[in-house]
Amino acid sequence: EAGVTQFPSHSVIEKGQTVTLRCDPISGHDNLYWYRRVMGKEIKFLLHFVKESKQDESGMPNNRFLAERTGGTYSTLKVQPAELEDSGVYFCASSQELVGVEQYFGPGTRLTVT
Amino acid sequence: DAKTTQPNSMESNEEEPVHLPCNHSTISGTDYIHWYRQLPSQGPEYVIHGLTSNVNNRMASLAIAEDRKSSTLILHRATLRDAAVYYCILVKGSSNTGKLIFGQGTTLQVKP
Repeated sequence: EAGVTQFPSHSVIEKGQTVTLRCDPISGHDNLYWYRRVMGKEIKFLLHFVKESKQDESGMPNNRFLAERTGGTYSTLKVQPAELEDSGVYFCASSQELVGVEQYFGPGTRLTVT
Repeated sequence: DAKTTQPNSMESNEEEPVHLPCNHSTISGTDYIHWYRQLPSQGPEYVIHGLTSNVNNRMASLAIAEDRKSSTLILHRATLRDAAVYYCILVKGSSNTGKLIFGQGTTLQVKP
């Protein structure tokens, strides 16, 4: 069974540009999460989808970040316009249930904004 | 959300057991205790979780104190591949998101 995949693995963009990160969860997992780690800080929750609906987006830093999950399958996270402080590693995770189960994480996308 | 406290770092010798402690004195009755780890340059990886009883799986064992205010992750025979940051995370059983709140974790160093 394929795990959670993320694309691209690395992205280097200039300040002010737009970047779109993609996450493909494990097939059949209704729950999809985005997290990120910025340099020197802890991994932080960004948002949670149940199928195509945003269940919790309390961790989204500001309105430059837009997440979508069309059709309840893969998800995209767009940053527009990117700022220097957006640099970090963005992780996606998926799970079958909400609690009492494991979340499966992807390898992450390393975003560098110069 | 209830907070967890872990030592910043620990060391172990290869092939010896490792006991990673976690304090969660404000845990509520429905909080699950989860452990994840992150190997270098990889995404976090699930290790084990429990609610009240001790748990064993192929990776590790989880010992939960009777009052549930602390727990210990036990790696029975540490290998070099177990060098990672280990996170103890509480997830509310009543949560409508299941989101994970990561702390700083414990960096485990395994010496050959």
